[in-house]
Amino acid sequence: RKEVEQDPGPFNVPEGATVAFNCTYSNSASQSFFWYRQDCRKEPKLLMSVYSSGNEDGRFTAQLNRASQYISLLIRDSKLSDSATYLCVVINAGNMLTFGGGTRLMVKP
Amino acid sequence: ETGVTQSPTHLIKTRGQQVTLRCSSQSGHNTVSWYQQALGQGPQFIFQYYREEENGRGNFPPRFSGLQFPNYSSELNVNALELDDSALYLCASSLAAGTSQETQYFGPGTRLLVL
Repeated sequence: RKEVEQDPGPFNVPEGATVAFNCTYSNSASQSFFWYRQDCRKEPKLLMSVYSSGNEDGRFTAQLNRASQYISLLIRDSKLSDSATYLCVVINAGNMLTFGGGTRLMVKP
Repeated sequence: ETGVTQSPTHLIKTRGQQVTLRCSSQSGHNTVSWYQQALGQGPQFIFQYYREEENGRGNFPPRFSGLQFPNYSSELNVNALELDDSALYLCASSLAAGTSQETQYFGPGTRLLVL
């Protein structure tokens, strides 16, 4: 079983739609959680950190559920430019990033 | 951009050869981490260097080795290349102080193809 699991998708949604991704992690001692975005043939870029209290950045909302060991990302009012792969990332002890396999999002006109 | 640079951008090698990939970290950062990303998968942690010492290693064989220099730039060396080593190799730099570490910023990567 992978340490961080994501549905690979692709999620095909129309512009303006709301889309949600989930991610589960297996190590209950995991300390920090993030969503990264990766465009085709580019490097991953930090989208947002994830906190138990939930956090919002514009159209993006991230949530952490420690009891169930899952992380979510909600994108409201999807734009064409949101098309990318979204990577769920967990940090355990030692500060190494553990990535999920990524969820591909395609927003269509 | 992040200020993290990698060279070369692309590389083609044959099985059994050796390769060296280079990474210059962002100014002020003292930690470099290396990741391997196979096609269609998420990046996998190879190892991390902090102040010229290896500071953690993922599940990669010893033929993957590295160095960090006094200016905090880093090299990843892979010996006896195998076909499965074909991937995007990413380095990420960050600032670590004690047990805390700030955000890791990724370079554009080196695409390695092993034939």
